[in-house]
Amino acid sequence: AQSVAQPEDQVNVAEGNPLTVKCTYSVSGNPYLFWYVQYPNRGLQFLLKYITGDNLVKGSYGFEAEFNKSQTSFHLKKPSALVSDSALYFCAHTGATNKLIFGTGTLLAVQP
Amino acid sequence: GAVVSQHPSRVICKSGTSVKIECRSLDFQATTMFWYRQFPKQSLMLMATSNEGSKATYEQGVEKDKFLINHASLTLSTLTVTSAHPEDSSFYICSARPSGGAETQYFGPGTRLLVL
Repeated sequence: AQSVAQPEDQVNVAEGNPLTVKCTYSVSGNPYLFWYVQYPNRGLQFLLKYITGDNLVKGSYGFEAEFNKSQTSFHLKKPSALVSDSALYFCAHTGATNKLIFGTGTLLAVQP
Repeated sequence: GAVVSQHPSRVICKSGTSVKIECRSLDFQATTMFWYRQFPKQSLMLMATSNEGSKATYEQGVEKDKFLINHASLTLSTLTVTSAHPEDSSFYICSARPSGGAETQYFGPGTRLLVL
């Protein structure tokens, strides 16, 4: 089955340090991959997407993600974490049906 | 740009009543909108795909007679939870995909439903 996996339920990082939130995919064909962020009791905000082109995708709030075909990964990264980045992050893909299929989410906690 | 609103943001109702949730794309037209349900500390579960001017497509296991969806215009979709029961209490989130073949969905802020 086509899916995305987020292997970490929670990631802890100190403010100012680089952060990585992991995502791997199992999608046949060319994957359309997305990252969304959810703050408490809020809907999801779009961060970035990979459709085609450059493997390094830059998005909102200083986030970026690298599409790695050989490792089937699409990890989300930021060079310097902020306390305000603390939130729930979802990786997702759209398959042939154009429906978004979400990973289980990773809670990012940035300590001051 | 690409703002989606939901109304109400929070609703409390008695068991047996019906609740309508509105989803609007404020600055773009959306032929397709989606309705999701999210349980605490869990991912989003797609309930149905709402297509303007036609019937919604429901995911397996979602009762179409219980969760009525209407997509009457290119900027508005509504979800009505009929005869709500406490197990319907959840966080309901809609999204809209801009018309014209765009891949990105933009999400509303969600509606917290509590059925007593």
